[in-house]
Amino acid sequence: AQRVTQPEKLLSVFKGAPVELKCNYSYSGSPELFWYVQYSRQRLQLLLRHISRESIKGFTADLNKGETSFHLKKPFAQEEDSAMYYCALRPVNYGQNFVFGPGTRLSVLP
Amino acid sequence: EADIYQTPRYLVIGTGKKITLECSQTMGHDKMYWYQQDPGMELHLIHYSYGVNSTEKGDLSSESTVSRIRTEHFPLTLESARPSHTSQYLCASSESVVRGAETFGSGTRLTVV
Repeated sequence: AQRVTQPEKLLSVFKGAPVELKCNYSYSGSPELFWYVQYSRQRLQLLLRHISRESIKGFTADLNKGETSFHLKKPFAQEEDSAMYYCALRPVNYGQNFVFGPGTRLSVLP
Repeated sequence: EADIYQTPRYLVIGTGKKITLECSQTMGHDKMYWYQQDPGMELHLIHYSYGVNSTEKGDLSSESTVSRIRTEHFPLTLESARPSHTSQYLCASSESVVRGAETFGSGTRLTVV
């Protein structure tokens, strides 16, 4: 069965420090991977997807098929990055639903 | 503006009442979803739909029901609300049945007293 794990429930870093939010998945095929972010009192929104290979708000994520990981990284954290981050997997089979990880709360301290 | 809309944002209701949470999207998406989420916690899929006249139950058992009479509209109904239904309900839609990201609404925060 497909599964997404995010080992840290809470991650605290100081402003300007590098940050890495871990995401591992289990899936036998080649899924689509996403990172979603939920700022306080805002809706859940797409941050980035692996097929785009882009940097959004300074965040990047690389799909490592060998390690089945899709870690989210930013070299210099900002206070406005404080939010809940969810890693999500979409299987490639027709009609399969998204699988979300449990989420990591990132707190960037001043 | 193409988006997904949920109403109401907040709802406080008494036990035993029937309620309908509204969800509409103007993006022409076929697949739609309902999730239940306590604040800052995991998302649990409770219902989804592939398109008009299609409704399926999700991974988390729910006493709610859904309907999909029009592509853009996917309401969720609770026939008799209970305190255990207190939660946040998120509606989402995706670009295609096979690929693409989900777009989420702002959610409905339901409190049953």
